[in-house]
Amino acid sequence: EVQLVESGGVVVQPGGSLRLSCAASGFTFDDYAMHWVRQPPGKGLEWVSLISWDGGSTYYADSVKGRFTISRDNSKNSLYLQMNSLRAEDTALYYCAKGISPRLVVTMIDYWGQGTLVTVSS
Amino acid sequence: QTVVTQEPSLTVSPGGTVTLTCASSTGAVTSGYYPNWFQQKPGQAPRALIYSTSNKHSWTPARFSGSLLGGKAALTLSGVQPEDEAEYYCLLYYGGASWVFGGGTKLTVL
Repeated sequence: EVQLVESGGVVVQPGGSLRLSCAASGFTFDDYAMHWVRQPPGKGLEWVSLISWDGGSTYYADSVKGRFTISRDNSKNSLYLQMNSLRAEDTALYYCAKGISPRLVVTMIDYWGQGTLVTVSS
Repeated sequence: QTVVTQEPSLTVSPGGTVTLTCASSTGAVTSGYYPNWFQQKPGQAPRALIYSTSNKHSWTPARFSGSLLGGKAALTLSGVQPEDEAEYYCLLYYGGASWVFGGGTKLTVL
């Protein structure tokens, strides 16, 4: 059974930093690209970032480019999102999500975690 | 800035059929946008329903189908059940590994 468990969400001040983690199990982690998607409270979904199965390629939404860094440790079956220069508009539930097709960078989403809440507030 | 547009809300009767659409500000949606559809119920994570326009996941009920319709991506629910009441989001791929979600459609079964 595929499981994705996010952690690391807290309340942080504007301008602060935070690292989110996603622990994956139930599939061969290093075969799949992984996404981060966020959802502000009461609002819709926003795609944030994607990393290839080997970590060699990374992609970002314009809204986070230059501030967020996606990474992975395949030896630990873990995905990360380093978030710097946080703003109030980054407040959201952050989901990690698994790519559908193995060994493809451009891959859609099948499984989602339950999310971790990041609140940016003074 | 690319905008993906969905109907804000739709209402359907139990047992009825409803079609949700997904339009792109860049023009007609084609298979090259790899349209995806997700269902989200209150307090839950999204669940994938359809990928690459019309492909179903192993868990997707048969009453859900995806297509292209009049330059848009479409999700059709046939024989709607009360448990289908949810928010539905489409996701389009714009190249360079850039993905954009639609604003969501709140489907009410009444």
